Amino acid sequence: GENVEQHPSTLSVQEGDSAVIKCTYSDSASNYFPWYKQELGKRPQLIIDIRSNVGEKKDQRIAVTLNKTAKHFSLHITETQPEDSAVYFCAASMSFQKLVFGTGTRLLVSP
Amino acid sequence: SAVISQKPSRDICQRGTSLTIQCQVDSQVTMMFWYRQQPGQSLTLIATANQGSEATYESGFVIDKFPISRPNLTFSTLTVSNMSPEDSSIYLCSVVTSRGGNEKLFFGSGTQLSVL
Repeated sequence: GENVEQHPSTLSVQEGDSAVIKCTYSDSASNYFPWYKQELGKRPQLIIDIRSNVGEKKDQRIAVTLNKTAKHFSLHITETQPEDSAVYFCAASMSFQKLVFGTGTRLLVSP
Repeated sequence: SAVISQKPSRDICQRGTSLTIQCQVDSQVTMMFWYRQQPGQSLTLIATANQGSEATYESGFVIDKFPISRPNLTFSTLTVSNMSPEDSSIYLCSVVTSRGGNEKLFFGSGTQLSVL
C-alpha cells in the first residue's frame, strides 16, 4: 500500500521568510495530493491540493509542486506570518478511500 | 463546502465503557470516512462508512471494536467499544464534497476522547 514520508518534522522560521515542507510517496498510481493545516485543538483544514496532471499550483502565498518521476511533492509558503504557525500534513491517494497522511510538520513562525 | 458537525466535541470516559460519536452533514454526501488522530500523531483511516451496508475497515481496525452505522447520506455514527486508555484520541469524520468542480476531503469538528 501507499506510504508517505514527510520532512522536516519541525521547522522554525522568522516572519517573512519562506518555508518548504517535503513529502515522498511510494505508490506510483497515486494521483491526488492534498495539504492540510491543523491549528492546536482544531480540525485539519484543506489549504491546497494538486492532481497528477499538474506540476505546480499556487494560491496566494502558498504553492505546491509535484514531481511524479521522483514521487515527491512539496509545500511552499512565502512571506510567512505568525498565523501560519501550525502542523501541516501532506497526503497521497489514488482515490479518497485510501488517503494516506504523512507524519506532519510543526511550523513555528517567530515575529 | 459542506458543514460537518460532530457530537460530542469531547468526553472523558471510564475504561470498559463505550462511546458513540455522531457525525451530521448539512448536505448529502456519497463518501464518508472515520479517522483517528492519536496524541501528537498523524491521521489514520479507521473505516469507510457505507450507506446501507457494512463499513469497510482498514487493517488494524475491527467492527467489534469500532462499529459504524450510516443510515443515510447525511449521518453516521462511530462507537468506540470497551474503551481502554489506548483509545484516547481525536476521532474525526470526513466527507468528500465538490468545490470548484473538483472533489475534496473535508473534516468534521472532531471528538476529543480521554479514557481513564
